[in-house]
Amino acid sequence: KAGVTQTPRYLIKTRGQQVTLSCSPISGHRSVSWYQQTPGQGLQFLFEYFSETQRNKGNFPGRFSGRQFSNSRSEMNVSTLELGDSALYLCASSLGSGLNQPQHFGDGTRLSIL
Amino acid sequence: AQTVTQSQPEMSVQEAETVTLSCTYDTSESNYYLFWYKQPPSRQMILVIRQEAYKQQNATENRFSVNFQKAAKSFSLKISDSQLGDTAMYFCAFMTSSGANSKLTFGKGITLSVRP
Repeated sequence: KAGVTQTPRYLIKTRGQQVTLSCSPISGHRSVSWYQQTPGQGLQFLFEYFSETQRNKGNFPGRFSGRQFSNSRSEMNVSTLELGDSALYLCASSLGSGLNQPQHFGDGTRLSIL
Repeated sequence: AQTVTQSQPEMSVQEAETVTLSCTYDTSESNYYLFWYKQPPSRQMILVIRQEAYKQQNATENRFSVNFQKAAKSFSLKISDSQLGDTAMYFCAFMTSSGANSKLTFGKGITLSVRP
């Protein structure tokens, strides 16, 4: 069974631009959650989607948004990029809704803002 | 607000020995979940172990076990018979069971090195 797939693996953008990251969950998994990992702030929860609905949300500004499609694939969008948005963005999937479910992580997308 | 504290940034252990990674948390909730996740170098993060707060029995997964002290708000991970493949960053995480307002809070992580 294929694992969680995140694309692209690496991305370079400049300040003010916007970016869309993609996550394909493990087949059969309906929950997708997103995390930001930086050396300074560590690992922070962004949001969780289940059945195309956002179920939980972390403390990030509205520039960070996401959505989930009927096939459970999810995208995360960051608008008006700032230097501080440089990070490894991780996606995880789980069978059921709820962050108490074991999360299966992808390799991440490393986003660099110039 | 919930906080998770991993006070040790780095630890080192000899192969085959036992090591304990510390984690404390702060919450006013009574029902919650605790996790340890492992992130090996350049590899995917994986769940090591999970503990539900209402369960008094400490969770165990093969060589990994936890010491959950609810009153002290402590959740340490013990790795027995350490192996070279245990070298990784370990994150302690906490989650309340507040329905739609649930979120997963991580500690800063601890880098564990297993020496041959």
